[in-house]
Amino acid sequence: EAGVVQSPRYKIIEKKQPVAFWCNPISGHNTLYWYRQNLGQGPELLIRYENEEAVDDSQLPKDRFSAERLKGVDSTLKIQPAELGDSAVYLCASSKDRGPADTQYFGPGTRLTVL
Amino acid sequence: AQSVTQLGSHVSVSEGALVLLRCNYSSSVPPYLFWYVQYPNQGLQLLLKYTSAATLVKGINGFEAEFKKSETSFHLTKPSAHMSDAAEYFCAVSRGGGGNKLTFGTGTQLKVEL
Repeated sequence: EAGVVQSPRYKIIEKKQPVAFWCNPISGHNTLYWYRQNLGQGPELLIRYENEEAVDDSQLPKDRFSAERLKGVDSTLKIQPAELGDSAVYLCASSKDRGPADTQYFGPGTRLTVL
Repeated sequence: AQSVTQLGSHVSVSEGALVLLRCNYSSSVPPYLFWYVQYPNQGLQLLLKYTSAATLVKGINGFEAEFKKSETSFHLTKPSAHMSDAAEYFCAVSRGGGGNKLTFGTGTQLKVEL
């Protein structure tokens, strides 16, 4: 079974430029998550989808971040414009259901560097 | 609000020695607790999870953790460290009623020395 796929793995951009990250979850997983992991910290949830509906986006900085999950499968996270403080690893995860005990499976992440 | 605290951002052990990584949780409702491992430049992989069944939970790669409600702890142990265990370990908590939102600790970097 293929795991969570993310691309690109690394991205270096100048500040004020836009950037987008793509995630393909495990087949059959209805719930998809985007996390941000700052250096030396644990991941923090940005947004959670149940199928194509964003059900928890309270931590997403909506002035510059946007996300979508078309057809309830792949998802894209966008930043426009990027700031220096956005440098981090962006992790995508998926789970079969939305229960609190359901295992979340993580992708390898996209390491973003904003210069 | 729920949270976890990991004591010790860096732990160093000798190969073959006991591994003990500490995690204390704070939750107003019975928690679900997880340990994840992260190798360099990789995503997080689940080691084990507590879901209110047995308090002693066995995971992959010889790791186990014990849920102690009286101490609000969920420490991770392994009897004998191997070089391949060197990685960063994260404790996380989620709770019922709020969907599957994981709150992670700040992580413990495990170093295994010869």
